[in-house]
Amino acid sequence: AQKITQTQPGMFVQEKEAVTLDCTYDTSDPSYGLFWYKQPSSGEMIFLIYQGSYDQQNATEGRYSLNFQKARKSANLVISASQLGDSAMYFCAMFSRNTGFQKLVFGTGTRLLVSP
Amino acid sequence: GAVVSQHPSWVICKSGTSVKIECRSLDFQATTMFWYRQFPKQSLMLMATSNEGSKATYEQGVEKDKFLINHASLTLSTLTVTSAHPEDSSFYICSASPGMSSYNEQFFGPGTRLTVL
Repeated sequence: AQKITQTQPGMFVQEKEAVTLDCTYDTSDPSYGLFWYKQPSSGEMIFLIYQGSYDQQNATEGRYSLNFQKARKSANLVISASQLGDSAMYFCAMFSRNTGFQKLVFGTGTRLLVSP
Repeated sequence: GAVVSQHPSWVICKSGTSVKIECRSLDFQATTMFWYRQFPKQSLMLMATSNEGSKATYEQGVEKDKFLINHASLTLSTLTVTSAHPEDSSFYICSASPGMSSYNEQFFGPGTRLTVL
């Protein structure tokens, strides 16, 4: 079975600073993918970044980067130069080959608040 | 590209009535769509996988007869909450994958907030 753990219910950061949101995962499947989604108060889920289990390099997308430590089974999201618009819920999710690379399992989320 | 819409965005209904929620992929075809449920301040829980032209696959604990899913075409899936009760009040989100990206990312609809009185 797959499991995603996000231990930070809430995080607080000042504008322009960097912040790391933690995510650990558990799976017995060697082939899997890890995602981060952002959910603003309006409710839509916005895809941020993806990391495949066989990717050699950490994924980056603009101000978002994923600190992938395979041996530790962690996939932390790093947001650089935080902006007020980054305030939202952030969910880590995964799927694996066992589930046809389709069924996503989500963590409980981290609420990020960015202050001026 | 890769836009998913949902209709309605919110609905209030009386207990005992049925409510239909539509999920459409606007600019791509999706043989598979997914339905999630999210309670306030909680995570998304997968309810079922909707397959075009075949029966949906429900997750353990999800009542098939209560949450009817129909994937009528490659761009439309519907979720019908039958005989809704207050405990069915939740945020329902669908997603779909174009299946053409290198990592099969899912694109989510904006969600439907259901309130059952």
